[in-house]
Amino acid sequence: AQTVTQSQPEMSVQEAETVTLSCTYDTSESDYYLFWYKQPPSRQMILVIRQEAYKQQNATENRFSVNFQKAAKSFSLKISDSQLGDAAMYFCAYRSGTGNQFYFGTGTSLTVIP
Amino acid sequence: GAGVSQSPSNKVTEKGKDVELRCDPISGHTALYWYRQSLGQGLEFLIYFQGNSAPDKSGLPSDRFSAERTGGSVSTLTIQRTQQEDSAVYLCASSPRLGNTEAFFGQGTRLTVV
Repeated sequence: AQTVTQSQPEMSVQEAETVTLSCTYDTSESDYYLFWYKQPPSRQMILVIRQEAYKQQNATENRFSVNFQKAAKSFSLKISDSQLGDAAMYFCAYRSGTGNQFYFGTGTSLTVIP
Repeated sequence: GAGVSQSPSNKVTEKGKDVELRCDPISGHTALYWYRQSLGQGLEFLIYFQGNSAPDKSGLPSDRFSAERTGGSVSTLTIQRTQQEDSAVYLCASSPRLGNTEAFFGQGTRLTVV
């Protein structure tokens, strides 16, 4: 099975600053998809951003962007102009291009300091 | 509704009792997933359905846990003879069979065993 590793259990950032959350994964597949999810205290898991492995261009969604390094099997999330509402648990996830299973990292708890 | 619906939102039960947790996936989503999340922790995979069959039951922690899915839609997770260590949030997610789409999550059921 594929493994997804988030090495930062907790991170903090000053409001309006930029923070980067790390994620690495292990796979022998060439076709797959990567995701970042946000889980606020309400516990609703919300998709933040997705990246297709076949795309070289890094995905961007407003203040959220990724640094996808396929050879290094790294998929970090950058949050720019951090806001208080960004405080949440963030999960990195992997999905095979040929299968249905999702593999999640252990999460990074992000605190935003006013 | 258009999203994944889980019921009940919260459940308090006495140790030794059986509980049933329900998940209504998004219409047309053939893949359905159950995860368990202990307080402040990551997502622990329990079981995955493709249609009504469960290709992967590897995450069920013991034979007290079972799940079924009928009509390719609603799924029920049953925990028999509940123990205090079963206390957690149980999350359900659904996804189209293949493709780059993410898993769509319900808001979860918080189970407390007293």
